Amino acid sequence: AQKITQTQPGMFVQEKEAVTLDCTYDTSDPSYGLFWYKQPSSGEMIFLIYQGSYDQQNATEGRYSLNFQKARKSANLVISASQLGDSAMYFCAMREEDSNYQLIWGAGTKLIIKP
Amino acid sequence: NAGVTQTPKFRVLKTGQSMTLLCAQDMNHEYMYWYRQDPGMGLRLIHYSVGEGTTAKGEVPDGYNVSRLKKQNFLLGLESAAPSQTSVYFCASSRPPGLAGQETQYFGPGTRLLVL
Repeated sequence: AQKITQTQPGMFVQEKEAVTLDCTYDTSDPSYGLFWYKQPSSGEMIFLIYQGSYDQQNATEGRYSLNFQKARKSANLVISASQLGDSAMYFCAMREEDSNYQLIWGAGTKLIIKP
Repeated sequence: NAGVTQTPKFRVLKTGQSMTLLCAQDMNHEYMYWYRQDPGMGLRLIHYSVGEGTTAKGEVPDGYNVSRLKKQNFLLGLESAAPSQTSVYFCASSRPPGLAGQETQYFGPGTRLLVL
């Protein structure tokens, strides 16, 4: 079974609009962390935001926020006021305490911002 | 501060040839990782290391070997390359994961490997 599911292979969004990238996960471990990374066309992996399973509040980092719904096992990334430079692949990843803290990755969502 | 660097950036091999990918980090991180990225898929962990002199298998270790002789370096070896090993290889490093695995992994720029 897929541990991390990103159901949107690709998305087109108008510049300056907000965008939500979906991520659902599967774990029975009570201690885990969820990460979002950005991969622009240049290829590097850029860390965006982290949410821990014990965190009471949703994580925020500048224009990025994480809509964490623990009961639904959902960790969607929200980008406010999208910019052309946000065009990239976005990956959701999970780290479980039981798995030696290895990162398990989703297949990614390709986001294209239209001017 | 270079962060995580990888050598080489691109390589073409013939089936059966061997090569070593070098990863170096200057952040004094204990943990280091090797991933591969294939089209349409997320990253998959090949091997990882939790400290100098230690290595462990990840999700897809077959066909690869690793060594961590120095804390700052993590080497990935392919003894007999196969076309199925054509991929982009990423190295990453991090501090030891804390509660709920918080520590961020920092990635190198990647190595594109083509096996003919």
